[in-house]
Amino acid sequence: EAGVTQFPSHSVIEKGQTVTLRCDPISGHDNLYWYRRVMGKEIKFLLHFVKESKQDESGMPNNRFLAERTGGTYSTLKVQPAELEDSGVYFCASSSRQGNGYTFGSGTRLTVV
Amino acid sequence: GQQLNQSPQSMFIQEGEDVSMNCTSSSIFNTWLWYKQDPGEGPVLLIALYKAGELTSNGRLTAQFGITRKDSFLNISASIPSDVGIYFCAGLNYGGSQGNLIFGKGTKLSVKP
Repeated sequence: EAGVTQFPSHSVIEKGQTVTLRCDPISGHDNLYWYRRVMGKEIKFLLHFVKESKQDESGMPNNRFLAERTGGTYSTLKVQPAELEDSGVYFCASSSRQGNGYTFGSGTRLTVV
Repeated sequence: GQQLNQSPQSMFIQEGEDVSMNCTSSSIFNTWLWYKQDPGEGPVLLIALYKAGELTSNGRLTAQFGITRKDSFLNISASIPSDVGIYFCAGLNYGGSQGNLIFGKGTKLSVKP
């Protein structure tokens, strides 16, 4: 089966611009997660979708971040406007049910300059 | 919030040596997971532990879920150059609105041939 796919793999944008990250989970996986790793720190949870519904968005840093999962398939994470501290690697993961080990994508490395 | 203390932060070892790393937490988890991340890739699940006291092996890897449910260790025996990478522990409590992974900061492993 195809794994979790993330696009783009790298993005360099200027402070104040908008960036949209995309994640295609493994087909049939209802659970989709977004995580972020800022350099030198741990990978931190951002939010969790079950199908198209936001199950838990307690990790979203602020209202500059907007995640959607229309139709319960792929998900997008938009950062608007981007700030320098948003730089990091954004990972998406999916699982068939909670409690399983998740499958991660390769991540999107975001650099805000 | 919940935090995991992972140690050591980095290790430089000779090929053939054994490696040990561990994670501790002030709170309990239902599941402990160990992931490995190669450069430019997302974390890949190595071992999942679901019961307190459980000892599980995957080839040269062995991991244990502590009896108190607050700690876990990962051992790698007879290391080889391809073991190089960053190893992350992660704790998981699922059920209800929960389901997100709490990660340690990672152990960076370097292996000298």
